[in-house]
Amino acid sequence: KAGVTQTPRYLIKTRGQQVTLSCSPISGHRSVSWYQQTPGQGLQFLFEYFSETQRNKGNFPGRFSGRQFSNSRSEMNVSTLELGDSALYLCASSPLAQSSYNEQFFGPGTRLTVL
Amino acid sequence: AQSVTQLDSQVPVFEEAPVELRCNYSSSVSVYLFWYVQYPNQGLQLLLKYLSGSTLVESINGFEAEFNKSQTSFHLRKPSVHISDTAEYFCAVNTDTGRRALTFGSGTRLQVQP
Repeated sequence: KAGVTQTPRYLIKTRGQQVTLSCSPISGHRSVSWYQQTPGQGLQFLFEYFSETQRNKGNFPGRFSGRQFSNSRSEMNVSTLELGDSALYLCASSPLAQSSYNEQFFGPGTRLTVL
Repeated sequence: AQSVTQLDSQVPVFEEAPVELRCNYSSSVSVYLFWYVQYPNQGLQLLLKYLSGSTLVESINGFEAEFNKSQTSFHLRKPSVHISDTAEYFCAVNTDTGRRALTFGSGTRLQVQP
C-alpha cells in the first residue's frame, strides 16, 4: 500500500497570500488529521476530518480551514498568511474505528515558508 | 486537558551505549501513549504504542518503553544504540475519547556519536 502523500512538499508564499495544501490518505483510511510543526510551538493538532465532516479542531484561528472529499482526500487552507505560519504541515491518516484507537500514519509533510 | 513533558531536549550518546529518553504525561482520564521518530526532512514514524495490556512494549528495532501509571511516565529505552538511531523522538498521548488529536511532547534529539 502506498503511504500518505502530501503535495506540494515545499511552498514559498508572501504575507497576506493564501495557500492550499493537499493530503491523500492511505487507501481505505477515512480519517485525516492535520498538524503544524514549528521550532517554537512544536507539534500542534489543527483538525481532523472523517467522512467529509470536521470531527475535531485544535486551537487555531479561523484563517486555518480544511475539508475532506468523498474519496477521503483532504485539503487545508490558510488565508491571509502571516510570518508565523511558516511551518511543516503534517497530514496523518487513520483507519475507521468507532470504539477503539487506531494509530495515525503520517505523510512527509509540506514545508511552508512565508516571506 | 492532557499534556506531555519531555525534559531532555538533546541526548548525546556514544554508539553501542544504552539510552533512555524520558516522557511524562498528565491526564485525568485513561490514555493511549506513543513514541514517534522523525528523521531529517521526513514525517513522523510510529516507533511503538501502549494501548492496553502489558505495560512493556517493544519495537522491531530494539527500542522498548514501559508504561508506569503511578509515575505517569512512558520512558523510551534502548540497550545499545546505532548511528542510524540519530533522530528526533516525540512522545505523544491521546485520551480514550475516540478522537484522533494527539498531544505531543517537545521532542528529544538523540545524537549518536561514533
